[in-house]
Amino acid sequence: GENVEQHPSTLSVQEGDSAVIKCTYSDSASNYFPWYKQELGKRPQLIIDIRSNVGEKKDQRIAVTLNKTAKHFSLHITETQPEDSAVYFCAAISGSARQLTFGSGTQLTVLP
Amino acid sequence: GAGVSQTPSNKVTEKGKYVELRCDPISGHTALYWYRQSLGQGPEFLIYFQGTGAADDSGLPNDRFFAVRPEGSVSTLKIQRTERGDSAVYLCASSSWGEVGELFFGEGSRLTVL
Repeated sequence: GENVEQHPSTLSVQEGDSAVIKCTYSDSASNYFPWYKQELGKRPQLIIDIRSNVGEKKDQRIAVTLNKTAKHFSLHITETQPEDSAVYFCAAISGSARQLTFGSGTQLTVLP
Repeated sequence: GAGVSQTPSNKVTEKGKYVELRCDPISGHTALYWYRQSLGQGPEFLIYFQGTGAADDSGLPNDRFFAVRPEGSVSTLKIQRTERGDSAVYLCASSSWGEVGELFFGEGSRLTVL
């Protein structure tokens, strides 16, 4: 099955700085890579996703890059704000299955 | 409904008891998923339904866990002879069929086994 590794587990940045979270996956058949944000006690919510037919996707301050050869993908948040503080999860899914496999999460803290 | 609804939001039970957790997905979503999230961890897949049938139950940890979706909408996760290690937040999610895409999660049911 799929295995997703995520790092770092915690990340603190100053407001206005950039944050980068990295994930690797094991199944070369994986073709969909979402990122979820989870605030304390709340549900995970999708913030951006990328499919294997593209290398990069951007949505305002958030971007995701995918390197299929190396089997890794990254989340980039620019101009961080205190409200970006949350736990971020990467995930991967293969076309043959519909179960998302999640990473272990990154606790992002944006310091004012 | 507007979103995925889960009940109860909190459940405290004693070891050995039976519990049921309910999920009401977004109307029209044919795919329904159960995940389990322990403190400080990512959601862990349990089971996935397409319509009424369990298309993939490979994540259920043992035969104490069972889930149903008899009419293709509401689903119930059933846990028999609960153990302290079952304590976690149980998340339900739904999605539309077709190409894999966004999962819409509920707020979860926090289960505590004393």
